[in-house]
Amino acid sequence: EAQVTQNPRYLITVTGKKLTVTCSQNMNHEYMSWYRQDPGLGLRQIYYSMNVEVTDKGDVPEGYKVSRKEKRNFPLILESPSPNQTSLYFCASSSGTGSSPLHFGNGTRLTVT
Amino acid sequence: GQNIDQPTEMTATEGAIVQINCTYQTSGFNGLFWYQQHAGEAPTFLSYNVLDGLEEKGRFSSFLSRSKGYSYLLLKELQMKDSASYLCAVSRFTSGTYKYIFGTGTRLKVLA
Repeated sequence: EAQVTQNPRYLITVTGKKLTVTCSQNMNHEYMSWYRQDPGLGLRQIYYSMNVEVTDKGDVPEGYKVSRKEKRNFPLILESPSPNQTSLYFCASSSGTGSSPLHFGNGTRLTVT
Repeated sequence: GQNIDQPTEMTATEGAIVQINCTYQTSGFNGLFWYQQHAGEAPTFLSYNVLDGLEEKGRFSSFLSRSKGYSYLLLKELQMKDSASYLCAVSRFTSGTYKYIFGTGTRLKVLA
């Protein structure tokens, strides 16, 4: 089954404790992206990747890191989480042509206390 | 700048028809998507328009006017399960890559 798999689904952590949210897709997609979704603000792009070893900042990259060492994986790293990073996070992938839809993972609800 | 506007909330009755509007301003326009998102779940793809006109897909149709920067999603024969948020998103080509920009979503409540 074609899918984007994110883990974990729920995460509660404390300020400053490094964490990684994993994302994997099995559709051989070149384009992968991370979004955060907050009430009233919609989906905002954090980082995206057009291919292996090619990543770029989205609209809200501060406090986040990503890597794309393999085509299927695109982890999101929070080196020192802060409460303002409490949010619902989605990983998404597409073939990258611009006319192909994004396929989303099931989301990770992160709470930073 | 880039901007997408859609109503925050709409209410309709089961069996009725509802139209959700979306206006956008962007450069490098490469198409417009509609997604459905149930509360706490991932967005799922509904439709894509790149040319002017109406695309029909079962109970759902989507319309695009590029000259007006306007789209709408039409839902017919509403069912309770259609209660969800509907996200308008624009694909744009910029700096050698494609970017997807999302509106804040329209929360649709379907009443019995």
